[in-house]
Amino acid sequence: SQTIHQWPATLVQPVGSPLSLECTVEGTSNPNLYWYRQAAGRGLQLLFYSVGIGQISSEVPQNLSASRPQDRQFILSSKKLLLSDSGFYLCAWKAGGLDTGELFFGEGSRLTVL
Amino acid sequence: GQNIDQPTEMTATEGAIVQINCTYQTSGFNGLFWYQQHAGEAPTFLSYNVLDGLEEKGRFSSFLSRSKGYSYLLLKELQMKDSASYLCAVMDSNYQLIWGAGTKLIIKP
Repeated sequence: SQTIHQWPATLVQPVGSPLSLECTVEGTSNPNLYWYRQAAGRGLQLLFYSVGIGQISSEVPQNLSASRPQDRQFILSSKKLLLSDSGFYLCAWKAGGLDTGELFFGEGSRLTVL
Repeated sequence: GQNIDQPTEMTATEGAIVQINCTYQTSGFNGLFWYQQHAGEAPTFLSYNVLDGLEEKGRFSSFLSRSKGYSYLLLKELQMKDSASYLCAVMDSNYQLIWGAGTKLIIKP
């Protein structure tokens, strides 16, 4: 069966510090991978998605970046965090090659920037 | 622009029935999803509608009317564990998901 895991679950970072959130999918190959941010009272905001190794599409201009060094690994990074980067970050996967189909989410990472 | 509207919060009684509505305006339509999200947790998939009509899954049913840009999620025989947020999402013509802000459902004994 397929599993998705992201870490860390919770982190508190000072403004201006770097960030690295990691996400790994097991039990499937060539998945589509996604990073979302969820702010209180708002819908999920798509940040990045990837359809393959090294292929990253950015949906929103910001100080965040994403990388996919391996087929089943997706990393969200920042060189210098802003207060506005606080939120609940979700990694998700969908079977590759299918335009429809549901998303499966990781456990989420709650980031607080102080 | 693209827009998904659903009520912010609803309250219902244990054992009762509740209907959560979702209206949408999107660039194209390739299906509508409902997800359940408990506080502090990740969303989990509930249902997918791409054709008009009702899809039933146990205590949960989802309805779609494409001509009206409207869907609802019906929860029957409510249990305390159904207290959660319910997210409506529409897949647009580019196969990207547009998400509503979610409806927080509070179940009272």
